[in-house]
Amino acid sequence: EAGVVQSPRYKIIEKKQPVAFWCNPISGHNTLYWYRQNLGQGPELLIRYENEEAVDDSQLPKDRFSAERLKGVDSTLKIQPAELGDSAVYLCASSLAAVNTQYFGPGTRLTVL
Amino acid sequence: SQQGEEDPQALSIQEGENATMNCSYKTSINNLQWYRQNSGRGLVHLILIRSNEREKHSGRLRVTLDTSKKSSSLLITASRAADTASYFCATVKTSYDKVIFGPGTSLSVIP
Repeated sequence: EAGVVQSPRYKIIEKKQPVAFWCNPISGHNTLYWYRQNLGQGPELLIRYENEEAVDDSQLPKDRFSAERLKGVDSTLKIQPAELGDSAVYLCASSLAAVNTQYFGPGTRLTVL
Repeated sequence: SQQGEEDPQALSIQEGENATMNCSYKTSINNLQWYRQNSGRGLVHLILIRSNEREKHSGRLRVTLDTSKKSSSLLITASRAADTASYFCATVKTSYDKVIFGPGTSLSVIP
């Protein structure tokens, strides 16, 4: 069974530039999560989807971050414009349902210069 | 805000020794989970313990939960170099609530 796929694995951009991350969850998983993980810290939830619906986006900085999950499968997380403080690893995870075990992708390491 | 806090922040042991990591949390929970993260990789779910359970085992892993003290411990027996990783506890307040991760414990197992 294929795991959660994320791309790109690494991204280096200059501040004020836009950036997008893509996630393909495990087939059949209805719940999809985007996390941000700063160095030496645990992941922090940005947004959670149940199928196409964003059910928890309280931690998403909506002035510059946006996310979508078209057709309830793949998801894209966008930052525009990026700031220096956005440098982090962005993790995508999926689960059958919110109560089930989450499976994480390898993450995208973003460096904003 | 972080619900769980792991202790110690870093731990270094010799291969074959046991490693114990602790997690304390602040509010009541539905369940507590432990994850492992190898350097540069995503997180891997290790074990989930529900609030009405006191102890769970999975291979060389043993997790305990004391809801009266709001704490949990993860014991890795007979450690191996491959156990070198960061270990995170994560709490869930209610059945459909989000998972909140602690800052993690960095474990180094020296061959």
